[in-house]
Amino acid sequence: AQTVTQSQPEMSVQEAETVTLSCTYDTSESDYYLFWYKQPPSRQMILVIRQEAYKQQNATENRFSVNFQKAAKSFSLKISDSQLGDAAMYFCAYKGGGSNYKLTFGKGTLLTVNP
Amino acid sequence: DTGVSQNPRHKITKRGQNVTFRCDPISEHNRLYWYRQTLGQGPEFLTYFQNEAQLEKSRLLSDRFSAERPKGSFSTLEIQRTEQGDSAMYLCASSLAGAASETQYFGPGTRLLVL
Repeated sequence: AQTVTQSQPEMSVQEAETVTLSCTYDTSESDYYLFWYKQPPSRQMILVIRQEAYKQQNATENRFSVNFQKAAKSFSLKISDSQLGDAAMYFCAYKGGGSNYKLTFGKGTLLTVNP
Repeated sequence: DTGVSQNPRHKITKRGQNVTFRCDPISEHNRLYWYRQTLGQGPEFLTYFQNEAQLEKSRLLSDRFSAERPKGSFSTLEIQRTEQGDSAMYLCASSLAGAASETQYFGPGTRLLVL
């Protein structure tokens, strides 16, 4: 079974600084997808960024980018120019390829942004 | 484009009672998923539907749990004879088969408290 590990239960960053959240996963599949979701307090989970395993280029969405290391099974999220609104729980998630549709989540990293 | 909606947002019930939650997916999405999230954990997969067919169920989904998706539109999740261990956030997500990465979009969740 696939597992997703987020080794940082909590992280903090100063406003306008850069922070990196770590995620590692375990899988025997070669075709899969990785996601970062953000869950603000008492609000719904929203997609931050996604990465297809077959793509070598790291995904980027505005201030958010990933460092995808397929051989190391690592998928970290970098948030640049951190804003107060970035404060949330961040979940790394894995989805297999083919007919495997469920998401497997890590336990999350709580990000605090200090003004 | 309305997102995934869930009702009720909060439910408090007494142990032994039955509860039912509803999820309305994004209108063109044909896949629908249920997850459970307990405090301090990432969401865990419960079950998923493609159109009206329930195609996978997790071992977490005991026989007290039943999910339906009549006519392939909205879905209901019923928990019979609730137990205190059922207290959690129940999340619904939907996706479009064949879309890029088959990204799942989440609703706001139903928070269940069993007294």
